[in-house]
Amino acid sequence: AQSVAQPEDQVNVAEGNPLTVKCTYSVSGNPYLFWYVQYPNRGLQFLLKYITGDNLVKGSYGFEAEFNKSQTSFHLKKPSALVSDSALYFCAVRVPLTGGGNKLTFGTGTQLKVEL
Amino acid sequence: DTGVSQDPRHKITKRGQNVTFRCDPISEHNRLYWYRQTLGQGPEFLTYFQNEAQLEKSRLLSDRFSAERPKGSFSTLEIQRTEQGDSAMYLCASSLTSGRAGTDTQYFGPGTRLTVL
Repeated sequence: AQSVAQPEDQVNVAEGNPLTVKCTYSVSGNPYLFWYVQYPNRGLQFLLKYITGDNLVKGSYGFEAEFNKSQTSFHLKKPSALVSDSALYFCAVRVPLTGGGNKLTFGTGTQLKVEL
Repeated sequence: DTGVSQDPRHKITKRGQNVTFRCDPISEHNRLYWYRQTLGQGPEFLTYFQNEAQLEKSRLLSDRFSAERPKGSFSTLEIQRTEQGDSAMYLCASSLTSGRAGTDTQYFGPGTRLTVL
């Protein structure tokens, strides 16, 4: 079964420092991986995705993610964290459905807290 | 691009009542998905439509749940005889079929938070 794991429930980082939110995957075949962010009482906002090609994927709001096949990881990174980055982050993997659609199977989420 | 919208944003109901939620996808997106998210968990897939056809349903979708997308545009999710365990955030997402299978991005609405008393 396709799945992702987010080993950290919470990550704390000081504003201006680099941040990393970890995700590992278990997939048969080629993985299609996604990162979403959720602010309180809001839906999920798409940040970036890995389909194929460069292992470093650039996304919205200065975020990027590094795909590592040997470590089966897809960690989210940002060089300099902002207090406004504080939110709940979800890693997801796509699972094919009948008719060509795809469901997303999400991790349990990592709460990022950026402090002054 | 107005994004995915959902209505209502919040719904409080008593156990045993029926509720209906609406989702308006991004214009011209042909795929529409429903997910459910409970506190402290990631969203879980419920069902999806390609145009007006409902192509797959999760085992999570009991007989009390029904979804429609009558003209391939907006969708409704109805829960009959609600139970306290139905309390959750119900999220809708839409996407546009891309040239390469599996690469389309799902864009989510703000969700409908259901509380069953």
